[in-house]
Amino acid sequence: GAVVSQHPSWVICKSGTSVKIECRSLDFQATTMFWYRQFPKQSLMLMATSNEGSKATYEQGVEKDKFLINHASLTLSTLTVTSAHPEDSSFYICSTTRLAGGLNEQFFGPGTRLTVL
Amino acid sequence: TQLLEQSPQFLSIQEGENLTVYCNSSSVFSSLQWYRQEPGEGPVLLVTVVTGGEVKKLKRLTFQFGDARKDSSLHITAAQPGDTGLYLCAGRNTGTASKLTFGTGTRLQVTL
Repeated sequence: GAVVSQHPSWVICKSGTSVKIECRSLDFQATTMFWYRQFPKQSLMLMATSNEGSKATYEQGVEKDKFLINHASLTLSTLTVTSAHPEDSSFYICSTTRLAGGLNEQFFGPGTRLTVL
Repeated sequence: TQLLEQSPQFLSIQEGENLTVYCNSSSVFSSLQWYRQEPGEGPVLLVTVVTGGEVKKLKRLTFQFGDARKDSSLHITAAQPGDTGLYLCAGRNTGTASKLTFGTGTRLQVTL
């Protein structure tokens, strides 16, 4: 069954508005969640690591003031794209790790497609 | 920056053919995971390999981790249209426990 859920699955917004994407871990607690971005026909690029109860760690080149991350509980992390512009249109995917069969494996949500007009 | 290069980037084959996808890096990884992603969906975990030289089989898929834990391969036997998708390898750094680095991806299309 699904390990991670995301909401919404897709969103269309006007340029200049802000959009919030939710990522939830299902049936387990996730102290760490990861946010990725994927452009068409490309691989996944890590944007930031979200840590429950503390500040997120952003990858080089990712603007922390534009992509606000909040990890207020052990099952929920949110990514807010502030003042969105057309170049922010992308597929945003969250992920978390869970121990399974002695292995630390990473599972991904179904993704959120953001289109900024 | 650790890079994972996958080859080929794109592969179009007919049903029943065999294929191999390669994932190469100059860096050592503590583990490596393979995912398959379909359009509009998140990646789905296929397998995790941990030990150098390890071979894992998942039905018609065979995964191998290089002896030096720098590279991996995915071999599909008798490909089917349902195998169509984007295949991604992802290595976990030896230093940072939870950070995954994704490969460049291999897009596979299997036709009847």
